[in-house]
Amino acid sequence: ILNVEQSPQSLHVQEGDSTNFTCSFPSSNFYALHWYRWETAKSPEALFVMTLNGDEKKKGRISATLNTKEGYSYLYIKGSQPEDSATYLCAPIMIYNQGGKLIFGQGTELSVKP
Amino acid sequence: GAVVSQHPSWVICKSGTSVKIECRSLDFQATTMFWYRQFPKQSLMLMATSNEGSKATYEQGVEKDKFLINHASLTLSTLTVTSAHPEDSSFYICSARADSYRNTIYFGEGSWLTVV
Repeated sequence: ILNVEQSPQSLHVQEGDSTNFTCSFPSSNFYALHWYRWETAKSPEALFVMTLNGDEKKKGRISATLNTKEGYSYLYIKGSQPEDSATYLCAPIMIYNQGGKLIFGQGTELSVKP
Repeated sequence: GAVVSQHPSWVICKSGTSVKIECRSLDFQATTMFWYRQFPKQSLMLMATSNEGSKATYEQGVEKDKFLINHASLTLSTLTVTSAHPEDSSFYICSARADSYRNTIYFGEGSWLTVV
């Protein structure tokens, strides 16, 4: 069973605060990491696909880093806005996963208060 | 971006009946589709992986005869919950992938199933 842990489980911040959360996964047999943003009543939206150790990707105010040697990824949101409120999910793909299936962590539920 | 459509969004069925949920990739060919289930306050649990034209690969603990998955074309996969029972009531969501592992995987909107 693949162990994917996300922390914290939930986060409440004020508008304008910057925040970050963590995704931990086994460092061996790593292939790629997917980050998704899931707003209530919508489809999960792909944010990033990361593959190389030291990768840093950015999309607007959201950025992510990847450390494959120690098995973690950070997601940062700069200057949080109420529209950033969502559950953020990570899912690693391991080399041995047939078909590249995504195994998700429990997610970090972010709530941004105006 | 790529769109995956899932239908129906909501379905209520009587205990003992079967219900089918469709997952369509609207603007790309999905070589692989995945079906997930979400229990309350838990993450998405992968049920099975389906490749077009071949039998689905089920995760451990998922009953193949209970959850029939068909991936008959490159744009359509279906999940049929057979002889549904109240404990099958859940949120089911599909996702689709076009090619390599690194390609983005796109999700449908999900389907809420209530068995009464």
